[in-house]
Amino acid sequence: DTGVSQDPRHKITKRGQNVTFRCDPISEHNRLYWYRQTLGQGPEFLTYFQNEAQLEKSRLLSDRFSAERPKGSFSTLEIQRTEQGDSAMYLCASSPHEGLNEKLFFGSGTQLSVL
Amino acid sequence: QKEVEQNSGPLSVPEGAIASLNCTYSDRVSQSFFWYRQYSGKSPELIMSIYSNGDKEDGRFTAQLNKASQYVSLLIRDSQPSDSATYLCASSSGGSYIPTFGRGTSLIVHP
Repeated sequence: DTGVSQDPRHKITKRGQNVTFRCDPISEHNRLYWYRQTLGQGPEFLTYFQNEAQLEKSRLLSDRFSAERPKGSFSTLEIQRTEQGDSAMYLCASSPHEGLNEKLFFGSGTQLSVL
Repeated sequence: QKEVEQNSGPLSVPEGAIASLNCTYSDRVSQSFFWYRQYSGKSPELIMSIYSNGDKEDGRFTAQLNKASQYVSLLIRDSQPSDSATYLCASSSGGSYIPTFGRGTSLIVHP
């Protein structure tokens, strides 16, 4: 069990640029989540995948955000035309999805700074 | 909209004392409840889960659930300075089981 890994750990970009983050979940976990966290707040749900299917996206998620999980393995989160308000920690988590027992295992996160 | 409410704190307790962290939730159909610990600059890690009314103990941690009052709490006995962190409460309900998080309570355990 190598845990959930995210890349990069930090990303600094200029407003208007596109960025892409990668998440490698725990291999036997079929669910993968993306959350966003800002200072002093809890993680905010963005979207999740069950295997390769993206089953739900937050209503707060702008159409500038897109996520994929090809073949039900790693996932990518892309933000197009970044804005300063996108600055946050982007957390990926995976879960074995055992119904009530929806335990999340988080990666170290990608800290995005939009200048 | 599902909401999980926590006092942001900080809650300051002396070493060796019992720390009591509280959480309320708005969604009456919530079925599962979780406590995560997040050290500064790190990602959240799960410490407790609870599904049934009553108490659940795991070492120095006790989670308490009262579904009638829509209230969850976490007690930390014999608090240590290493327990100083932000404690996040989360709930999920049937269907998608997507966890919804509160803003977290900052706990400071001073020697």
